[in-house]
Amino acid sequence: DTGVSQDPRHKITKRGQNVTFRCDPISEHNRLYWYRQTLGQGPEFLTYFQNEAQLEKSRLLSDRFSAERPKGSFSTLEIQRTEQGDSAMYLCASSWGGDGTDTQYFGPGTRLTVL
Amino acid sequence: AQKITQTQPGMFVQEKEAVTLDCTYDTSDQSYGLFWYKQPSSGEMIFLIYQGSYDEQNATEGRYSLNFQKARKSANLVISASQLGDSAMYFCAMGGVDKLIFGTGTRLQVFP
Repeated sequence: DTGVSQDPRHKITKRGQNVTFRCDPISEHNRLYWYRQTLGQGPEFLTYFQNEAQLEKSRLLSDRFSAERPKGSFSTLEIQRTEQGDSAMYLCASSWGGDGTDTQYFGPGTRLTVL
Repeated sequence: AQKITQTQPGMFVQEKEAVTLDCTYDTSDQSYGLFWYKQPSSGEMIFLIYQGSYDEQNATEGRYSLNFQKARKSANLVISASQLGDSAMYFCAMGGVDKLIFGTGTRLQVFP
């Protein structure tokens, strides 16, 4: 049983550059979530998809952030014109609504450092 | 608005002893889920246990149990027979279909 995978695991970039992260959910899961976690804090919700539809976006998701899940399988999160404040761990999770608990299973995360 | 409060920034426990990690929540929803996750230094969030708001019995998963007191809006995690590998950050979270709201976490350190 393959878990949630994320790529890359680490990304170092210079301020102003664009970055893109990928998330592959557990294969039978129809819901996919993105969170951001800064040092000393719990994860904060960014956005979520049910199949290919993006159903909710947090106000944390500024215009520089965009997420897609084009075929209802993997998802990408792009950050344009990165800022030092974007440095964080970006976590992806997936869930299957049919189990009645909506338990979210997380990937290993992508740690972004903006210089 | 939903909120999770974890008041213990850090906890110490001796190996083989039990430890309770506190979590209180606030919500106006009638139906919700309560979750605990473990985050080792590697960074991955590992699901531990789930409690539904309508579940009358406390959830248990191996050495983990959730002490759910709905009237007090508390959902404390009890780890029995602590092991050195239990040293990690522990997060309480609440949610439904759309998203999870997390607390600030408790760092648990297990010593021999």
